[in-house]
Amino acid sequence: GENVEQHPSTLSVQEGDSAVIKCTYSDSASNYFPWYKQELGKRPQLIIDIRSNVGEKKDQRIAVTLNKTAKHFSLHITETQPEDSAVYFCAAFYGNNRLAFGKGNQVVVIP
Amino acid sequence: DGGITQSPKYLFRKEGQNVTLSCEQNLNHDAMYWYRQDPGQGLRLIYYSQIVNDFQKGDIAEGYSVSREKKESFPLTVTSAQKNPTAFYLCASSRTGDIGYGYTFGSGTRLTVV
Repeated sequence: GENVEQHPSTLSVQEGDSAVIKCTYSDSASNYFPWYKQELGKRPQLIIDIRSNVGEKKDQRIAVTLNKTAKHFSLHITETQPEDSAVYFCAAFYGNNRLAFGKGNQVVVIP
Repeated sequence: DGGITQSPKYLFRKEGQNVTLSCEQNLNHDAMYWYRQDPGQGLRLIYYSQIVNDFQKGDIAEGYSVSREKKESFPLTVTSAQKNPTAFYLCASSRTGDIGYGYTFGSGTRLTVV
């Protein structure tokens, strides 16, 4: 099956700085990569996704990049704000309608 | 919650009891999933179903059971065989297809053994 790894496990940034979370995946056939944000005690919510025929996608302050050759994809958050503090999960689609999730990154934005 | 509803929000189980967690969606999604999340941990797949009357075990199915009699509903039973059931349980649903789709999650059920 697919194996997804996230780095770093915890990331602290000053408010206004950028945050980058990187994920690697193992199955070269994976073709869809969503990112989820989970605030404490709440459900994960889809914030952005990218398909394998696209290298980059942006939505306001967040962007995702995909490098299929290296099998990694990254989440970029610019101009971080306190409300960006959360756990972020990356995932990769690997067939049978299943997503393989990374273990999550705790992002802390310091005011 | 975004078309997928979990109930109850909090649930307390006594030792040796079976309890059932409800998950209902009105998104017309074919696939549904149950995940377990422990404090500070990621998401672990318990069971999933791609179509009515069919479901498959995930990575940690022991001590759990499910049914999928209706497209909209995918209840999870935590049996007395599950020795450490205290956790946050998340249900999700998605469209199906080879191109891949994201999941919509419910708001979760927090189960505590008392």
